[in-house]
Amino acid sequence: AQSVTQPDIHITVSEGASLELRCNYSYGATPYLFWYVQSPGQGLQLLLKYFSGDTLVQGIKGFEAEFKRSQSSFNLRKPSVHWSDAAEYFCAVGAASGTYKYIFGTGTRLKVLA
Amino acid sequence: DAGITQSPRHKVTETGTPVTLRCHQTENHRYMYWYRQDPGHGLRLIHYSYGVKDTDKGEVSDGYSVSRSKTEDFLLTLESATSSQTSVYFCAISEPTRPKDTQYFGPGTRLTVL
Repeated sequence: AQSVTQPDIHITVSEGASLELRCNYSYGATPYLFWYVQSPGQGLQLLLKYFSGDTLVQGIKGFEAEFKRSQSSFNLRKPSVHWSDAAEYFCAVGAASGTYKYIFGTGTRLKVLA
Repeated sequence: DAGITQSPRHKVTETGTPVTLRCHQTENHRYMYWYRQDPGHGLRLIHYSYGVKDTDKGEVSDGYSVSRSKTEDFLLTLESATSSQTSVYFCAISEPTRPKDTQYFGPGTRLTVL
């Protein structure tokens, strides 16, 4: 069965520091992978997505993610965090064929220290 | 931003009362989804629709029903609300044309069942 694991519930980083949020997935076929961000009281905004091709994908707000099939991972990175990046981040996996349903991870809440 | 609205945005109701949440889109996307978001669980799919009058269950569908009589509207009904249905509900839409199969989210409805 499909599943997504975000092992870090909370992460705290200082402004200007680099960031990596982990995402591991379990899926028997080629996955589609997504990262969403949710600011407090808001809906989810798409940061980036991977469908195929280049395994390093660029997204909005200076984020990038790398798909590593051998590790079943799709980690989100940002070289220098800004205070406005404080939010909750969700990884999701979707099927490359058939059903159009996604499975979401439980989220990682990012706190940024000034 | 995708044209998705949800109504109401906030609702407080009592146990045993029926509740209907509405999702409205202006994007003419074929797929629509209802999720609930709870701490420690991320987003879980309740029901989804793949066309007018075509719906299917998600992973947490018990106690919920849906209807879609028009492309732009997807209704979620709690037949008899319970305290366990206190949650934040999100609607999402997608147009399943690979590789454009990306879900876009509405702003959410916060429901409290007393």
